[in-house]
Amino acid sequence: DIQMTQSPSSLSASVGDRVTITCRASRTISNYVHWYQQKPGKAPNLLISAASRLQSGVPSRFSGSGSGTDFTLTISGLQPEDFATYYCQQSYSSLPYSFGQGTKVEMK
Amino acid sequence: QVQLQESGPGLVKPSETLSLTCNVSGGSVSSGSFYWSWIRQSPGKGLEWIGYIYESAVTNYNPSLKSRVAISVDTSKKQFSLKLSSMTAADTAVYYCARGFGGVPYFYLDVWGKGATVIVSS
Repeated sequence: DIQMTQSPSSLSASVGDRVTITCRASRTISNYVHWYQQKPGKAPNLLISAASRLQSGVPSRFSGSGSGTDFTLTISGLQPEDFATYYCQQSYSSLPYSFGQGTKVEMK
Repeated sequence: QVQLQESGPGLVKPSETLSLTCNVSGGSVSSGSFYWSWIRQSPGKGLEWIGYIYESAVTNYNPSLKSRVAISVDTSKKQFSLKLSSMTAADTAVYYCARGFGGVPYFYLDVWGKGATVIVSS
């Protein structure tokens, strides 16, 4: 199975900050990584597919990059509604399509 | 716009079988373009794929759960279902149904239900 390791597990930031979350795969997976945002008590919401493809309706302050084993989700100019937990997910191999353990973005 | 909604018991006894249903509105569950999926989330194990069904009959399950899982579709009722047998406390989680898109290798979940909390306890 492919393991996805996110870092950091949590971070504290202020409105307007630039936030970077990293996801590392246990082996090379091209760009088959997707990012989700989850708010407390809600289901995850797809932000980015295929490492860098922003989903319709997602603000442009969100961006993704990476290929191979290292991937990054960046929020440029953190907004109050962005405080949430973020997950990466790989789809390189068939099930299980593993998720990272999550990165919680908290208000400083 | 497609919406998904889980339904089923919130409490299951150990060794029993969990049965959950996901109602699909605003779209067709018989569409061959989508992978109707189940995912669960527990504090201890995070987000975990359970499996999916597509083209109304082809299934793919997480190997760690494969011996206990069955996913099926009822196109007349516009719903798909999850059965998980031999439940234990380790299966306590929030269970989500979701729509998978893209297929291997660009497989992601673009529509999610709100989630159903399932507690395993006698």
